[in-house]
Amino acid sequence: QSALTQPASVSGSPGQSITISCTGTSSDVGGYNYVSWYQQHPGKAPKLMIYDVSKRPSGVSNRFSGSKSGNTASLTISGLQAEDEADYYCSSYTSSSTYVFGTGTKVTVL
Amino acid sequence: QITLKESGPTLVKPTQTLTLTCTFSGFSLSTSGVGVGWIRQPPGKALEWLALIYWDDDKRYSPSLKSRLTITKDTSKNQVVLTMTNMDPVDTATYYCVLERDAFDIWGQGTMVTVSS
Repeated sequence: QSALTQPASVSGSPGQSITISCTGTSSDVGGYNYVSWYQQHPGKAPKLMIYDVSKRPSGVSNRFSGSKSGNTASLTISGLQAEDEADYYCSSYTSSSTYVFGTGTKVTVL
Repeated sequence: QITLKESGPTLVKPTQTLTLTCTFSGFSLSTSGVGVGWIRQPPGKALEWLALIYWDDDKRYSPSLKSRLTITKDTSKNQVVLTMTNMDPVDTATYYCVLERDAFDIWGQGTMVTVSS
């Protein structure tokens, strides 16, 4: 299984909205509503931000939202803040009953 | 409070077998729907999913690493063990233990493993 494709970097100014894409195939992203997103600050363990495409765990800001269309999932961060600067990874369940991660996106707050 | 903590060697030699232990608290691996898995991250690179074991002993492995991985659980000790055979320098990474319920809900702090002679 190949890694899901994410843009290497996305940037935005404070207060703006940005969207990170995560492209897979019909055997992973497109075939299941089991896409999740993780935030990772330098030197830290990843943190779950979105699961089941668009659900937010308790305690995660509602500035984070997820969606999916076909084989591409997206994470949108609205009202961008300095603390949102981090690496973001998507993950999907696959037709092999396994999981696959994305290539990762570095978010920079200008 | 749910916590997971990885333990194991920080340095292994090429061709050796790596054994990592995840010790957790705050949940039971006997609870329906619960799984514990392993994910790794080479320095400066992306996350890679390795393996997962569920409450009913269902086991899943990364297709590319399946021949080298074994995951087991000891419910009474609240531990999950991952073994990886024939280690190579490309396996140098931080290895994370994770709780899987809705997704990879809770992560351990990770343990760095270096493969070098």
